[in-house]
Amino acid sequence: DVKVTQSSRYLVKRTGEKVFLECVQDMDHENMFWYRQDPGLGLRLIYFSYDVKMKEKGDIPEGYSVSREKKERFSLILESASTNQTSMYLCASSSGHNTGELFFGEGSRLTVL
Amino acid sequence: AQSVAQPEDQVNVAEGNPLTVKCTYSVSGNPYLFWYVQYPNRGLQFLLKYITGDNLVKGSYGFEAEFNKSQTSFHLKKPSALVSDSALYFCAVRDIYGGSQGNLIFGKGTKLSVKP
Repeated sequence: DVKVTQSSRYLVKRTGEKVFLECVQDMDHENMFWYRQDPGLGLRLIYFSYDVKMKEKGDIPEGYSVSREKKERFSLILESASTNQTSMYLCASSSGHNTGELFFGEGSRLTVL
Repeated sequence: AQSVAQPEDQVNVAEGNPLTVKCTYSVSGNPYLFWYVQYPNRGLQFLLKYITGDNLVKGSYGFEAEFNKSQTSFHLKKPSALVSDSALYFCAVRDIYGGSQGNLIFGKGTKLSVKP
């Protein structure tokens, strides 16, 4: 069974803390994505990666960075968390062709106090 | 620019009745369209997709969707709703021009509520 695993389901952090969200996929997918989901706004793309060590900005990259040192792992980093980054974060992966669907992890709900 | 619209924030249906969740799209060229479902505090699960071929696409859990090119729509349907179908539903279109390889552009979601 294919799987995208997000290491933390629920996190509570304080303003200014550094936050790491980890995502691992076991499908040998080339593409990996980080989205944030907010009520009424749907899903918005933060960053994506189409290969190891490659990354591209999505629609809302400000305040975030990413790391992809291995094909199966894609990390989202909040260098200095702020309250407006309280959200649900979703990781996804897909194969390299345009017709493939995205596979999502269970999500990481981050609260910044 | 490519976009997806889900005109209804919420759809209410009685159990056993047919359900429709609406989606319209705006793309240049042929669209690649997807439907996902999200249960509370969970990730998104893939339901079905339209790439080419038959306009009626069948997917998981008894759902189907009809691609209508003239109306630029891709409505999700199910002949008989179940209470367990209550969830948040997202329509999405493949972003093939934005440079983000494989990315999907999502609608804002429609909350489906099925009452017994």
